[in-house]
Amino acid sequence: NAGVTQTPKFQVLKTGQSMTLQCAQDMNHEYMSWYRQDPGMGLRLIHYSVGAGITDQGEVPNGYNVSRSTTEDFPLRLLSAAPSQTSVYFCASSTRSEQYFGPGTRLTVT
Amino acid sequence: SQQGEEDPQALSIQEGENATMNCSYKTSINNLQWYRQNSGRGLVHLILIRSNEREKHSGRLRVTLDTSKKSSSLLITASRAADTASYFCATSSRVGGTSYGKLTFGQGTILTVHP
Repeated sequence: NAGVTQTPKFQVLKTGQSMTLQCAQDMNHEYMSWYRQDPGMGLRLIHYSVGAGITDQGEVPNGYNVSRSTTEDFPLRLLSAAPSQTSVYFCASSTRSEQYFGPGTRLTVT
Repeated sequence: SQQGEEDPQALSIQEGENATMNCSYKTSINNLQWYRQNSGRGLVHLILIRSNEREKHSGRLRVTLDTSKKSSSLLITASRAADTASYFCATSSRVGGTSYGKLTFGQGTILTVHP
């Protein structure tokens, strides 16, 4: 199993551009989540999903959209990138207990 | 806002010593988990303790949970240089509907183990 995969690993955007961060898991987990990690901080939940077709907002959802059309995929869309969205983004999938994290996408918005 | 607060923010010890990290949280929880993050990498799950458990062991790791004080501690015994990493506590809360897939993380403790 590949576990949780994320693409791209690195991305540089200009302010106002849009993009989609990809996340896929092959463990047939119901639950998937997106977090961002800023320097010196823990992870903050952006959006999460409890199954295909069901998503909800986390702690810091503004500026991001998600959808979950399949169990495997959970893309995160930045609608109009802002410098405040410069961060490392982690996708996770989970059972009802532990979460499995992807390797992260390092995003810089200039 | 962050649910968990971790203490200390940084810890520097010699190989062979024990390392203790503490975590406090604010709301009622279903479980509390500890994760490790090596520099520039994703998080790796270490151990989970449920709200009705008081202590749990896994190899060199020992976790305690005191729900009356809303606090937890992670003890790493006989530390090794390879234990150098950031350690985060994360809580799965009973507040706000389903807790599955939603974790609230502390700010982490940076552990450095010198050979």
